Amino acid sequence: KAGVTQTPRYLIKTRGQQVTLSCSPISGHRSVSWYQQTPGQGLQFLFEYFSETQRNKGNFPGRFSGRQFSNSRSEMNVSTLELGDSALYLCASSLTPGTGNVDTQYFGPGTRLTVL
Amino acid sequence: AQSVTQPDIHITVSEGASLELRCNYSYGATPYLFWYVQSPGQGLQLLLKYFSGDTLVQGIKGFEAEFKRSQSSFNLRKPSVHWSDAAEYFCAVAPYNFNKFYFGSGTKLNVKP
Repeated sequence: KAGVTQTPRYLIKTRGQQVTLSCSPISGHRSVSWYQQTPGQGLQFLFEYFSETQRNKGNFPGRFSGRQFSNSRSEMNVSTLELGDSALYLCASSLTPGTGNVDTQYFGPGTRLTVL
Repeated sequence: AQSVTQPDIHITVSEGASLELRCNYSYGATPYLFWYVQSPGQGLQLLLKYFSGDTLVQGIKGFEAEFKRSQSSFNLRKPSVHWSDAAEYFCAVAPYNFNKFYFGSGTKLNVKP
């Protein structure tokens, strides 16, 4: 089975622009989560989508948004980019959750976003 | 609120030596616990997980971890480290009923030849 794929792998943008990142989950996985990884803040949860609905959300401003399509693919969008948005953005997918709605998350390689 | 502490930022061990990476969590009930490894420029790879049952869990690459409820800990161990184990290791906690992972700050492992 193919793993989680993310495109693009690298991106350079300037302040004020917006960006869209894409994630294709493992086949059969219905949950997609997004994380931001920075040297200063570490790995932080952005949001989770399940069956095209945002089910969980982290503590990020409204500039960060996402969506999920009927084939479980997901996109996240960051508007009005700031220098502090430079980070590795990781996508993770889970199989349909079982007990407690928690399941192992399998991560993609990430998209490295640089904001100049 | 949930939190995860990995007290060791950097650890250096000699190849062939044993390894223990510490992880403590704060959560009111028994959480779901995970260890992931990240090589430079890569995503996170799952090493092992604990959901319930036997508190000693085996993972890939010869790693194991033990859940100790009384100490709120989930330490990762390996009896003999290989040079290819050099990477950054992350402990993660997910509360019951929320598919939302809280990660520790990570421990960078350096392996001396």
